[in-house]
Amino acid sequence: ETGVTQTPRHLVMGMTNKKSLKCEQHLGHNAMYWYKQSAKKPLELMFVYNFKEQTENNSVPSRFSPECPNSSHLFLHLHTLQPEDSALYLCASSERGFSYNEQFFGPGTRLTVL
Amino acid sequence: GENVEQHPSTLSVQEGDSAVIKCTYSDSASNYFPWYKQELGKRPQLIIDIRSNVGEKKDQRIAVTLNKTAKHFSLHITETQPEDSAVYFCAASMGGGADGLTFGKGTHLIIQP
Repeated sequence: ETGVTQTPRHLVMGMTNKKSLKCEQHLGHNAMYWYKQSAKKPLELMFVYNFKEQTENNSVPSRFSPECPNSSHLFLHLHTLQPEDSALYLCASSERGFSYNEQFFGPGTRLTVL
Repeated sequence: GENVEQHPSTLSVQEGDSAVIKCTYSDSASNYFPWYKQELGKRPQLIIDIRSNVGEKKDQRIAVTLNKTAKHFSLHITETQPEDSAVYFCAASMGGGADGLTFGKGTHLIIQP
């Protein structure tokens, strides 16, 4: 696999379930991001990790819990979600340390909360 | 925080004509402005970006202009082709992109044959 990969690609869960989304980047980058893409809304930044440390939490509800065990992997743990959390969740990575950083996106996980 | 407005939400042009998409941003500290193209069911992909110390940048049929005083930037696509049909997103960032991007709502570009 090359670039940024995400699993699963599709997920259906009930409001009481606990699930996790996984992202892996094969680009040697040191910054990773979670974005949410809903219909009729812009891509919304959720979390930023630089060198495995969380540097931004964009007022995301606590039912979303990120984890970054190393520079190549990023998880998003989900619990007691609401139907309005149904969306495409996109992971991205970039090389922090340069003045300007192109972000490379994964294919996303399409989440449906019933 | 930063706020990015994008217009129009839908743009239909004849094949071969030019297309222009405009964005404004609110925070004068923003210094990096990428444009992403997202085809149906696919991931967003960077097509061009511009930095705050540059007023214009071109890459073949695509160009981006930046007016820092007015806090707006635009994407120009010339000689449009059917494969240009997609949703285009503008974005802005204060940290050169490293601190995350604030996106506009997107423009659905439709190329009419």
